Parts: sequence; structure tokens; C-alpha cells
Amino acid sequence: QVQLVESGGGVVQPGESLRLSCSASGFPFRTSGMHWVRQAPGKGLEWVAFIRNDGSTKYYADSVRGRLTISRDNSQHTLYLQMNSLRVEDTAVYYCARTSTESWGFCDSWGQGTLVTVSS
Amino acid sequence: EMVMTQSPATLSVSPGERATLSCRASQSVSNKLAWYQQTPGQAPRLLIYGASTRATGIPARFSGSGSGTEFTLTISSLESEDFAVYYCQQYDTWPLTFGGGTKVEIK
Repeated sequence: QVQLVESGGGVVQPGESLRLSCSASGFPFRTSGMHWVRQAPGKGLEWVAFIRNDGSTKYYADSVRGRLTISRDNSQHTLYLQMNSLRVEDTAVYYCARTSTESWGFCDSWGQGTLVTVSS
Repeated sequence: EMVMTQSPATLSVSPGERATLSCRASQSVSNKLAWYQQTPGQAPRLLIYGASTRATGIPARFSGSGSGTEFTLTISSLESEDFAVYYCQQYDTWPLTFGGGTKVEIK
């Protein structure tokens, strides 16, 4: 079955960097678009970024554009989120999610998330 | 950016009763609307896409309706596992945006 496992979260100070990974299995990763979605503690869901199956198209939320970068390695079945210049407001659980075959725009499978805490 | 507004913020319902959740878009999203369910400590789960199509494995008591700017998620007869937070999300335009969520709690 579809499995998405995030890793790389932790505690960092403002201005520091972190790279999240999402290991995918149980489906043809190279044919699926992928998203990162985050959730601040006690808050709702916020979409962060999308990458097309071949990496040729990427979209970002305004709040992260220029600081967070989505990428993928299809040979390793892995999705990444490079997080630079982190801010306190980036504190959240970060989920990776697979797009549906119906549309790039919604997600039919989600990982369990990895917590990123930005604090001085 | 498309703003998605959900109401009510909290809905108190007894098991076996019907729950009706609303989602409004600031502009038309056609039928590009998905609903997710999230229970505490868990990842979201896709319930509905295309405003009214149930995702694989979703029970028939969940139904979605609407188009344009007004959408509804109905749970016909609440079961214990349905008490959760529900989010709508538009995928008509980038950036994708979620509503603030409706918490369905036990009355």
C-alpha cells in the first residue's frame, strides 16, 4: 500500500536551515506529483509547495517562496523540502502528500508528518 | 489568493444525527473542491473531491454538494469515528488554499 514517511524535523534557531525528506513506497513515485502541507500547533492546514512528477513544474505559497525549495529524486523515491532562513512562524508539522491521479490539486495519501520547531 | 471560509467553527452533534458543514470560496472554484477529515494526532484523510465524488473507501454516509462558491459536506448519520475536524480545500487556482476547519464534536 501507499506509504509516505517524513524525516528530518527538529529544533532550530531563527535564520537556520533544515532539510526534510519524504520516503515513498507502494506506488510508482515517478508518475505522481507531490505536495508539502504544514500545520502549526493547534492550527489548520496550510499548503506549502507542489512539484510535478518529473520536477519540471513547482509552485509555492507566498509565505515560503524564496526560502523553502521543493525537489525530488525519482531514482531514490524521495521528496525533499529545503528550508532556509527559517522563522518562528515556520514552526509546524510538515506533511508530504501524493497528488491524486485525477488532478495535481488535491492529495489522496498523506504521511504522518515531521515536526519542525523554530525557536531561539 | 482564494479565501476559503468554513462554518460553523464548531458543530455539536449527537451520534446518529445528521451533520451539515459549509464551505464558501471568495471566488468561483467551479467544482474544484476537496474535503478532508483529520482526527487528533493523525494525518488528514481525503473524503471528497470534485465537490461530490467520494474517495476510495469512504462510506456512503459522507456526501458533498455545491459548485461555484458554495459547498456542503453532509454526514448523514454520525458514528463515533466521525467526530473530527473537517477541512475544505480549493484546487482551482494556485496557491491551493484550505478553509479554517470545522470541528465536529459530540453533543
